[in-house]
Amino acid sequence: NAGVMQNPRHLVRRRGQEARLRCSPMKGHSHVYWYRQLPEEGLKFMVYLQKENIIDESGMPKERFSAEFPKEGPSILRIQQVVRGDSAAYFCASSSQPETQYFGPGTRLLVL
Amino acid sequence: KQEVTQIPAALSVPEGENLVLNCSFTDSAIYNLQWFRQDPGKGLTSLLLIQSSQREQTSGRLNASLDKSSGRSTLYIAASQPGDSATYLCAVRYGGATNKLIFGTGTLLAVQP
Repeated sequence: NAGVMQNPRHLVRRRGQEARLRCSPMKGHSHVYWYRQLPEEGLKFMVYLQKENIIDESGMPKERFSAEFPKEGPSILRIQQVVRGDSAAYFCASSSQPETQYFGPGTRLLVL
Repeated sequence: KQEVTQIPAALSVPEGENLVLNCSFTDSAIYNLQWFRQDPGKGLTSLLLIQSSQREQTSGRLNASLDKSSGRSTLYIAASQPGDSATYLCAVRYGGATNKLIFGTGTLLAVQP
């Protein structure tokens, strides 16, 4: 059973470009969570989704960030018009029930 | 405000020592608490999960305890090995519709051979 998969593992964008981060949950998992780890800081919750629904987006920046988890396919975290402050590691986690969350390897975004 | 704090921020021990990592949380009405390990440039590996009704969990050389009333958890690592070197994170989940984890800032552990 493959774990949580994230791609790309590393992403370089110039200021103003868009970044799309993908997360494929573990097989059978319908709950997906996104967290961000800024340099020298702890992980911060961003958003919690179930299939086709956003359950909690209290940690999402108000502008430029969006997330989806469609009926088919991976969950997508989209960052429009990236700025240097968006440089961070973005982690996805999944769970079958709202219990133990299993984390992916992360996507490291660097904004030049 | 729900906050999670970990001390020490960094710890260096010689191989073979037993050690304790500390985690404290401001709001004691937790649903569960989870300890993770993070290796440099890697993702998080779940080590132990303690439900709010439990006092401790054990896995191999690891033992995690939970004291809700005092808002504390400890991770005990017995007979430490160089391979234990990593950042250890604790994360708290509160009840309700949200399942978000609130993370501490971690303890960076170095076990010297």
